[in-house]
Amino acid sequence: DTEVTQTPKHLVMGMTNKKSLKCEQHMGHRAMYWYKQKAKKPPELMFVYSYEKLSINESVPSRFSPECPNSSLLNLHLHALQPEDSALYLCASSLGRLNTEAFFGQGTRLTVV
Amino acid sequence: DQQVKQNSPSLSVQEGRISILNCDYTNSMFDYFLWYKKYPAEGPTFLISISSIKDKNEDGRFTVFLNKSAKHLSLHIVPSQPGDSAVYFCAASEDDYKLSFGAGTTVTVRA
Repeated sequence: DTEVTQTPKHLVMGMTNKKSLKCEQHMGHRAMYWYKQKAKKPPELMFVYSYEKLSINESVPSRFSPECPNSSLLNLHLHALQPEDSALYLCASSLGRLNTEAFFGQGTRLTVV
Repeated sequence: DQQVKQNSPSLSVQEGRISILNCDYTNSMFDYFLWYKKYPAEGPTFLISISSIKDKNEDGRFTVFLNKSAKHLSLHIVPSQPGDSAVYFCAASEDDYKLSFGAGTTVTVRA
């Protein structure tokens, strides 16, 4: 199993809603990532979890709240988002240090209305 | 300030010919470089990588060349196939977990 599975694939939410994005991998990878990608832009790193601990937060607004319940799961809790937060949210995982490839999920297309 | 740059947003190549994608970087601390391929509505998939201690890495039809003095790397695809039509991202890493991406190059392989 070399997959990173993200749910849902598409999400439309209002600015007052609370929703969560989910990511799962069963490759035994100990690093998991959230990236945000806007149209025609490169993916931008948001958060990194290493061994289930948050190791990098790229100054992401607090309306995005990551959670790593166990080594296979990564969540991104969303609350009071703005329309400009609409983007493709990508989850990735890697065995450890990035001298091996990171595997990406297919992303959640988020639209904030 | 983008540290990884792909200055060609698009590339069109005939099937069977060589595709050459270029990538420049500004951070001399980058020590690992990767290429990812992305189809619409899918996440990026890893293609090939190279460590800064090497200047070439080959995997089937894909070869990556690294010129550290010029802070430049390139991806060669030979021969190009219709299924290679996708967006290609160059990425670089300087520490354990941060990966900086270029803006991507859209490759179209013409039959």
